[in-house]
Amino acid sequence: SAVISQKPSRDICQRGTSLTIQCQVDSQVTMMFWYRQQPRQSLTLIATANQGSEATYESGFVIDKFPISRPNLTFSTLTVSNMSPEDSSIYLCSAGGIGELFFGEGSRLTVL
Amino acid sequence: SQQGEEDPQALSIQEGENATMNCSYKTSINNLQWYRQNSGRGLVHLILIRSNEREKHSGRLRVTLDTSKKSSSLLITASRAADTASYFCATDARGAQKLVFGQGTRLTINP
Repeated sequence: SAVISQKPSRDICQRGTSLTIQCQVDSQVTMMFWYRQQPRQSLTLIATANQGSEATYESGFVIDKFPISRPNLTFSTLTVSNMSPEDSSIYLCSAGGIGELFFGEGSRLTVL
Repeated sequence: SQQGEEDPQALSIQEGENATMNCSYKTSINNLQWYRQNSGRGLVHLILIRSNEREKHSGRLRVTLDTSKKSSSLLITASRAADTASYFCATDARGAQKLVFGQGTRLTINP
């Protein structure tokens, strides 16, 4: 199993600013993912965070808006850039294999 | 777009009753998983069923998979108030190293 810590757990941000979310895993993992969960909705995959190379983004998500770093096998960051109220959401980091994903508690962002 | 569609979207039952949630998907899969999410928390993995399996049990959970209908069901027997949560199915399409989640079912167990 893997324990995933995310921070911040929540934040209130001003329109036009950027926020970086950190995700720390307590063990080395091959795969890390970032999901977005809008209020009372399901999870939408933003991107796969690749260690040592550029993230793989899903349709509708671009690097300029959601830059991702993954410097090693236990850590990743997601930045939400130039935020607007539509970016208000829960952002979830996950890690593990395709057979089972472990999730952080999520970062709840509110953009005013 | 989301691959998994779940029904019902919301389910409210009395404690002790059984709860059944369904999930349908669109493409061929390697396996299907179910996750639980308590309000305001992250997701917790419940059970995985492989594409060559038809039924799987884990405690009070029973999962079935019908690949011909591209559907799965999750049955929670003898429900408890602590089972109140949202339940999501997730699939990994063959050749894709990622999980796609269904819309989820919000389950409420009334004491």
